[in-house]
Amino acid sequence: NAGVMQNPRHLVRRRGQEARLRCSPMKGHSHVYWYRQLPEEGLKFMVYLQKENIIDESGMPKERFSAEFPKEGPSILRIQQVVRGDSAAYFCASSDRSNQPQHFGDGTRLSIL
Amino acid sequence: TQLLEQSPQFLSIQEGENLTVYCNSSSVFSSLQWYRQEPGEGPVLLVTVVTGGEVKKLKRLTFQFGDARKDSSLHITAAQPGDTGLYLCAGENRGSTLGRLYFGRGTQLTVWP
Repeated sequence: NAGVMQNPRHLVRRRGQEARLRCSPMKGHSHVYWYRQLPEEGLKFMVYLQKENIIDESGMPKERFSAEFPKEGPSILRIQQVVRGDSAAYFCASSDRSNQPQHFGDGTRLSIL
Repeated sequence: TQLLEQSPQFLSIQEGENLTVYCNSSSVFSSLQWYRQEPGEGPVLLVTVVTGGEVKKLKRLTFQFGDARKDSSLHITAAQPGDTGLYLCAGENRGSTLGRLYFGRGTQLTVWP
């Protein structure tokens, strides 16, 4: 499967725990984007990363959320001290250049108990 | 701020009918993408339009980008049950927020056999 791979597909956490979401871009893609989809709402941009660099994080909450895309390995979206409002589907997309179409993974559904 | 408005929000039709869904904005976009999303999956890219007035056809689907690059439409001819899904439009403003896609909330299409 050469598509964007996200894992886990489903993640359950209790309030106060940490959530780590992983995204492996399509082969040859070095640009990664994270979006959040809440029920009854559209996808909202969170952060745009290129290998080892954060290009735009203006859509990401200032506290508890962080993202990285290391030289080796997948991109990680990390949510610390999760709260019920963090429950959502988190999607990752990738592209080979910044002005090229973005291809999405199947998302991680995060549920907070 | 919701930059892209999609209409209708829901559309339920019989197999064989034609339909059009709309994506409107007061903002100018460098490009606009249409995606289709199935339950539990990520958005799948259908088409990208970049030139004002551009028309692209994908089998029974016809996509048009407005002359002013502020709006777009998707027309489906002779709809089939397999066309059922959530249709999302997404715009990109390369001049100001490179890489970020602004999504509409989608049109949920149901085609009955």
